[in-house]
Amino acid sequence: SQTIHQWPATLVQPVGSPLSLECTVEGTSNPNLYWYRQAAGRGLQLLFYSVGIGQISSEVPQNLSASRPQDRQFILSSKKLLLSDSGFYLCAWDSSFYGYTFGSGTRLTVV
Amino acid sequence: KQEVTQIPAALSVPEGENLVLNCSFTDSAIYNLQWFRQDPGKGLTSLLLIQSSQREQTSGRLNASLDKSSGRSTLYIAASQPGDSATYLCAVGAYAGGTSYGKLTFGQGTILTVHP
Repeated sequence: SQTIHQWPATLVQPVGSPLSLECTVEGTSNPNLYWYRQAAGRGLQLLFYSVGIGQISSEVPQNLSASRPQDRQFILSSKKLLLSDSGFYLCAWDSSFYGYTFGSGTRLTVV
Repeated sequence: KQEVTQIPAALSVPEGENLVLNCSFTDSAIYNLQWFRQDPGKGLTSLLLIQSSQREQTSGRLNASLDKSSGRSTLYIAASQPGDSATYLCAVGAYAGGTSYGKLTFGQGTILTVHP
């Protein structure tokens, strides 16, 4: 069966520090992978998507970047965090049969 | 640009009631619609997936319908329980032209509280 792992679950980082969030998928190959952010009181916003290794597309200009070094690994990064980067970050993959499957999320607080 | 609206924004009901959550979308060129549940501080759990060629899907006490022509979907919850309390999100999927990538557009959600 397909599973998606996301870590860490919570993270508190100072302004200006770097960020690395990791997501891995098991049980499928060449999945489409996504990073979403859910800010407090707001809906889900698509940040990045990837249809294959090394292929990254950004939906919104921001302080973040994404990489896909392996088929089932998706990483969200920042060189210098801003207060506005705080939020709940969710990784997801999709299939025509199951639709979207989301990870458990990372709660990021930038202080 | 696809816009998804969910009504009501919040709903509080006594245990045992049957209830309906509404979702509307502006662009009928979708390939599926998915209902999710989100508990506080948690990720999204998929409840039901309706392909664009389907009219409804059922899972246990949940039933979701889709009317593409009118841009509407409803999630019906039978015999509600306190454990159903959560935020319910509707999301419509559409292909970005020329790619295999499917973009989900989410509504703002309905916060459901079922009290004993």
